Amino acid sequence: EVQLVESGGGLVQPGRSLRLSCTASGFTFGDYVMSWFRQAPGKGLEWVGFIRNKASDGTTKYAASVKGRFTISRDDSKSIAYLQMNTLKTEDTAVYYCTRGPWDTSVAVAAYWGQGTLVTVSS
Amino acid sequence: QSPLTQPASVSGSPGQSISISCTGTSNDVGGNKYVSWYQQHPGKAPKLLIYEVNYRPSGVSHRFSGSKSGNTASLTISGLQAEDEADYYCSSYTDSGVLVFGGGTKLTVL
Repeated sequence: EVQLVESGGGLVQPGRSLRLSCTASGFTFGDYVMSWFRQAPGKGLEWVGFIRNKASDGTTKYAASVKGRFTISRDDSKSIAYLQMNTLKTEDTAVYYCTRGPWDTSVAVAAYWGQGTLVTVSS
Repeated sequence: QSPLTQPASVSGSPGQSISISCTGTSNDVGGNKYVSWYQQHPGKAPKLLIYEVNYRPSGVSHRFSGSKSGNTASLTISGLQAEDEADYYCSSYTDSGVLVFGGGTKLTVL
């Protein structure tokens, strides 16, 4: 059974950094593209970005709203995907979800979702 | 302002059918097959209902179906049930290689 568990959320001041983790199990992590999404309180879903598998050179892609501030990485030996968030803004306050597609190269579909972790950016 | 346009709300009675539209442009919805639909109940993670316009993942009820015409995709739910009351989101891959969403539609089962 595919399982994704996010961790690392919490309260952080504007301008500071935070790193989220997504621990995966139930599949061969290194074969799959991993993505991050977020949802601000009471708002809709927003794609954050993805990281391809090593076979595709582990390339990344980001939404314009986070590009240059957020970095997605992966440790295939530990089956963990990371979301490093720098220079956080109040508008980054959201529940952050880690996802996996239905097949290994899928970047456009989120078939499996974690439970989410809440990040609150406030002074 | 979300890149894709969905109605804010729709409603229907049990047993009826409803459709939710998702309008984009030729750069996203109209330009590729990668349109997906998600269902989200309050306080829960989203659930994939439809991918690549009209494919259902294993385990998703046949009452959910998707279609597309031009720059507008649609999700149809037939035989409405109380448990269908939720928020629904469409998404599309774009020609610039990013993923965009609609603002979401709240479905009320009367």
